[in-house]
Amino acid sequence: QQQVKQSPQSLIVQKGGISIINCAYENTAFDYFPWYQQFPGKGPALLIAIRPDVSEKKEGRFTISFNKSAKQFSLHIMDSQPGDSATYFCAARGGGGNKLTFGTGTQLKVEL
Amino acid sequence: DAGVIQSPRHEVTEMGQEVTLRCKPISGHNSLFWYRQTMMRGLELLIYFNNNVPIDDSGMPEDRFSAKMPNASFSTLKIQPSEPRDSAVYFCASSRGGLEETQYFGPGTRLLVL
Repeated sequence: QQQVKQSPQSLIVQKGGISIINCAYENTAFDYFPWYQQFPGKGPALLIAIRPDVSEKKEGRFTISFNKSAKQFSLHIMDSQPGDSATYFCAARGGGGNKLTFGTGTQLKVEL
Repeated sequence: DAGVIQSPRHEVTEMGQEVTLRCKPISGHNSLFWYRQTMMRGLELLIYFNNNVPIDDSGMPEDRFSAKMPNASFSTLKIQPSEPRDSAVYFCASSRGGLEETQYFGPGTRLLVL
């Protein structure tokens, strides 16, 4: 019940295209859903986050869409750029405390 | 701010040896997390501390792993004895705690156990 399922495992998008990564969860106690971005050789860094009382959050080219009834959320990267090539992790927090459960990651490659 | 500091950045050791990983969280942060990242298992939470107290160690693989946080500015993760399957990147992260959920990750320690 603590799992966060993420897909796809890898994604190749053309420059200027839209990248979409999906996550699903089971635990209805989750109350905070961040996305982290990780470049090779670096630690993950917070990209954008959403709470379940909001259906969408946008920051620049990055948008989280949240569907509470379906227990799904997704990251959309508009106008994808080669510099966006990285691994993206969704995560969820809940059940008390500030422990995060991470998805398995999506390796995104944006080609010229 | 210097960010989360981890040392060493790389560690190569032989099976059976003791390994100690070190972490200095961001000053003022009350929560500290240890993660392990592998290709097979992804990013796993091993243990986390609030105000230097271990809160959840359910992710610690077995008794060979131990973690301490003697004060607000230092934590260690120890593996004794180490095994080849412990080879991974170990990350330390910290957050302010309370309503601040953002976890700031260190650069990681890449551990190879031969």
